Amino acid sequence: DAGVTQSPTHLIKTRGQQVTLRCSPISGHKSVSWYQQVLGQGPQFIFQYYEKEERGRGNFPDRFSARQFPNYSSELNVNALLLGDSALYLCASSLEPALVYEQYFGPGTRLTVT
Amino acid sequence: AQSVTQLGSHVSVSEGALVLLRCNYSSSVPPYLFWYVQYPNQGLQLLLKYTSAATLVKGINGFEAEFKKSETSFHLTKPSAHMSDAAEYFCAVSRDDKIIFGKGTRLHILP
Repeated sequence: DAGVTQSPTHLIKTRGQQVTLRCSPISGHKSVSWYQQVLGQGPQFIFQYYEKEERGRGNFPDRFSARQFPNYSSELNVNALLLGDSALYLCASSLEPALVYEQYFGPGTRLTVT
Repeated sequence: AQSVTQLGSHVSVSEGALVLLRCNYSSSVPPYLFWYVQYPNQGLQLLLKYTSAATLVKGINGFEAEFKKSETSFHLTKPSAHMSDAAEYFCAVSRDDKIIFGKGTRLHILP
């Protein structure tokens, strides 16, 4: 079975631009979470979606937004990019939010903002 | 609030020596605890997890961790280090259906 997939693998953007990252969960998983990992740090929680509804949000500015589609895939959008947004963005999926101990991570999208 | 503290941002061990990576958690209730490994330029791989079953948890690649409630610790060990174990290791705890990560420990293996 395919694991969590993310696209693109890498991308480079300029300050002020907007970016959209995509995530496809494991088949049957309805909960998707997004994490940001800045170089040299542990991942930090950004969003959690379940059944197309936002279930949780971390301490990130409103420039960050996300949505989940009927097929449970998800997009993370970041507007007005800053240099500090350069990071590895990780997506994780689980059957439902409470089953966090069965959460699986994708390989990540590495975003570089210049 | 639940969180984890990893002691030592860098740990160096000789090939064949014992690996010990330390993690302490703070939690008001028995938590779910995790250890993840991240190789350079890659995503996260789950090594093992504690879900309130056995206190000694065995994971992949010969790693294991012991949950000690009295010490609020969940240290990661491996009897004999291999060069391929060189990576970043993250201890993590679950809270409110999300995972809270420590700052990570980079493990260096000396030949």
